[in-house]
Amino acid sequence: EAGVTQFPSHSVIEKGQTVTLRCDPISGHDNLYWYRRVMGKEIKFLLHFVKESKQDESGMPNNRFLAERTGGTYSTLKVQPAELEDSGVYFCASSTEASYNSPLHFGNGTRLTVT
Amino acid sequence: DAKTTQPNSMESNEEEPVHLPCNHSTISGTDYIHWYRQLPSQGPEYVIHGLTSNVNNRMASLAIAEDRKSSTLILHRATLRDAAVYYCIPRGTGNQFYFGTGTSLTVIP
Repeated sequence: EAGVTQFPSHSVIEKGQTVTLRCDPISGHDNLYWYRRVMGKEIKFLLHFVKESKQDESGMPNNRFLAERTGGTYSTLKVQPAELEDSGVYFCASSTEASYNSPLHFGNGTRLTVT
Repeated sequence: DAKTTQPNSMESNEEEPVHLPCNHSTISGTDYIHWYRQLPSQGPEYVIHGLTSNVNNRMASLAIAEDRKSSTLILHRATLRDAAVYYCIPRGTGNQFYFGTGTSLTVIP
């Protein structure tokens, strides 16, 4: 089966611009997660979708970040306007179930550089 | 969520077994212990998980202490492709994974 795919793999934008990251989960996976690693820090949770609904968005850093999953398939994460501290790698993951017995499948991430 | 303690780094010779330890003394009774690894320039990759009993799969074995306060990931024959950062993650009823800093494994040819 195809894995989790993320687009683009790299993005370089200027401070103040807008960027949209896309994630295509594994087909049939209702649960979709966004994580990120900013420079020198640990990988941190951002939010969790179950189908098209946001189950937990407690990790979203501020209102410059907007995640959507229309139709319950692919998801987008928009950063508007981008700030320097948003630079990092953004990972998407999906799973069949949200239970703690279900492994997550991660994409290879989008490396975002804000200059 | 339970906090974990892992060595910052470990080394292993190629084709030898590797035992990666993890302490999770505050784990709750329903937390599964997940292990993931991250190879350079890739996303985290699932390795194995378990609750109480030792677990084996094609990638590794997971040995869980009887009191569940620690676990050990065992790579039976390390290869150069196993060089990665390994994360031990107790996963409870919340849906967030707390990755911590992990153990950076170096495999020496």
